[in-house]
Amino acid sequence: EVQLQQSGAELGKPGTSVKLSCKVSGYNIRNTYMHWVNQRPGKGLEWIGRIDPANGNTIYAEKFKSKATLTADTSSNTAYMQLSQLKSDDTAIYFCAMSQPFDYWGQGVMVTVSS
Amino acid sequence: DIVLTQSPVLAVSLGQRATISCRASQSVSISSINLMHWYQQKPGQQPKLLIYRASNLASGIPARFSGSGSGTDFTLTIDPVQADDIAAYYCQQSRESPLTFGSGTKLEIK
Repeated sequence: EVQLQQSGAELGKPGTSVKLSCKVSGYNIRNTYMHWVNQRPGKGLEWIGRIDPANGNTIYAEKFKSKATLTADTSSNTAYMQLSQLKSDDTAIYFCAMSQPFDYWGQGVMVTVSS
Repeated sequence: DIVLTQSPVLAVSLGQRATISCRASQSVSISSINLMHWYQQKPGQQPKLLIYRASNLASGIPARFSGSGSGTDFTLTIDPVQADDIAAYYCQQSRESPLTFGSGTKLEIK
């Protein structure tokens, strides 16, 4: 059974960074793309970008190019997303998702930006 | 970017048919492959894939869900609607990057 387990909720101060993790079990992430999607409170889904864990190649939505950095560790079968220069507008739930279409999703992690 | 437009709310009676539409700002089809997918999201949960490539039922999804459409116009149908179907429904295109979602349709019971 494929499972995506995300790290716990984060509280970050404005201007700082957080790094989220998404550990995959039941499937080798070398054989797929790992995506990240956010959802601001009460709003819809927004694609941030994706990484090819086999070679580290990334594609980002334009608005996240200087906000998010996607990496992956194939030895631990884990994808990561670092969010930098946090602002209150970054407060959202962040999901990792696998493949395309998104067959499998992590449970989501709440990131709250507050001083 | 490809913009996907959905109506915000749809109210239907239990046991009736719900038809949720999604219109793309440009074609999301390549040859005969329609790169439009549908997800269901219940409050406090992650989205769940319902339909992929416009009309293919994802694994474990009940047959009362179906999808149709091509080019720029797509439809998700739920027939009959059950109480457990109360959720938000999102279309999503994978024709080109950036991948985009519709703004979602909330299904409510009349």
